[in-house]
Amino acid sequence: GAVVSQHPSWVICKSGTSVKIECRSLDFQATTMFWYRQFPKQSLMLMATSNEGSKATYEQGVEKDKFLINHASLTLSTLTVTSAHPEDSSFYICSAPPASGSDEQFFGPGTRLTVL
Amino acid sequence: QKEVEQNSGPLSVPEGAIASLNCTYSDRVSQSFFWYRQYSGKSPELIMSIYSNGDKEDGRFTAQLNKASQYVSLLIRDSQPSDSATYLCAPQRDTGRRALTFGSGTRLQVQP
Repeated sequence: GAVVSQHPSWVICKSGTSVKIECRSLDFQATTMFWYRQFPKQSLMLMATSNEGSKATYEQGVEKDKFLINHASLTLSTLTVTSAHPEDSSFYICSAPPASGSDEQFFGPGTRLTVL
Repeated sequence: QKEVEQNSGPLSVPEGAIASLNCTYSDRVSQSFFWYRQYSGKSPELIMSIYSNGDKEDGRFTAQLNKASQYVSLLIRDSQPSDSATYLCAPQRDTGRRALTFGSGTRLQVQP
């Protein structure tokens, strides 16, 4: 199957700082990537859809000015958590369906963010 | 009503038994259905996909779909301790966007 990577796999930061998470499709092109967030013992919740070459679309209740998404190429999307607070501590996971063909999504390994 | 409902479990079965995982969904427009397995601290991995009513078998796994009842299930035959994980049901809510709405997941425990 297709491979999606994320970097970093975990990060600890101080409250008020910004953190950038990268999501890369390694062996396919993805015009769309999805960012999910998962709190402990809860399911994945879609945060936003990252669109190559255009603005991201955010789900209701997700602050676009706090969670900045950039999809600068067909293989890279970044999520920046700005002015992070402890309540932003979560498991952030990206996914990408290949640009052509299958509806299946391939998930990155996730990034564990801890805000002190 | 939640968009996707799953029994949170834990569902405990002995090794070698059949595990039956159920899921109901509210969006009648859903066309594609996916089962993901998620180990603790890891991201989901795709187990099965099903698009048409009926059964689809892949090794020890069988997915069953009934669109009229808005019901999808996953059967795991000959359950192994390594199958112990949380299983997430994910209807595809919008074919164009291909975003997934996940159920809360059922935690499966296979007892050796």
